[in-house]
Amino acid sequence: DQQVKQNSPSLSVQEGRISILNCDYTNSMFDYFLWYKKYPAEGPTFLISISSIKDKNEDGRFTVFLNKSAKHLSLHIVPSQPGDSAVYFCAATNSGGSNYKLTFGKGTLLTVNP
Amino acid sequence: DTAVSQTPKYLVTQMGNDKSIKCEQNLGHDTMYWYKQDSKKFLKIMFSYNNKELIINETVPNRFSPKSPDKAHLNLHINSLELGDSAVYFCASSLLAGVGTDTQYFGPGTRLTVL
Repeated sequence: DQQVKQNSPSLSVQEGRISILNCDYTNSMFDYFLWYKKYPAEGPTFLISISSIKDKNEDGRFTVFLNKSAKHLSLHIVPSQPGDSAVYFCAATNSGGSNYKLTFGKGTLLTVNP
Repeated sequence: DTAVSQTPKYLVTQMGNDKSIKCEQNLGHDTMYWYKQDSKKFLKIMFSYNNKELIINETVPNRFSPKSPDKAHLNLHINSLELGDSAVYFCASSLLAGVGTDTQYFGPGTRLTVL
């Protein structure tokens, strides 16, 4: 039962262009969403998050958009840089729930070509 | 300074053996977690401890036993290892328990291979 889905296993973009990574969720109890970035042989590192009371959150080159009615979020990276090449995980949680666990998607491998 | 560290980084062992993975965090966090990333690449929560007390225990075989000697350490002991236990195990920590928006910081992972 995949409650968080990242349907694109990989994405390749040119340096300087926009990268758009997508994520869908099925659990309507989820109200807080996060993106983590993972380099090979390292653990995931937190990138950006968004609460369900917002539809957009921006941090430098990274912007996350949330469409609650569609149960869809996306991460935009602009401009993309070669150092952004990594696996990006979408995660979700019920912030008011009794157990504070994150549910992750399978990840999308982003490759930014120079 | 490594915030969340795990040892060993790689572990290769035979079926039926017992092994432990250690995790330490120097962030002063109260809550620690174990995640498993299997061959299908999903990262799934296994356990969570807050200040040495178990607060999350997902459906994990009894062969897996977490132990938290203090709030900076959370070790994972696995008995009678099976082929299906092969995975990457990630430790994580967060400052607070009961706060679903609290950022989790991950260790580098331990790749366990059971032969």
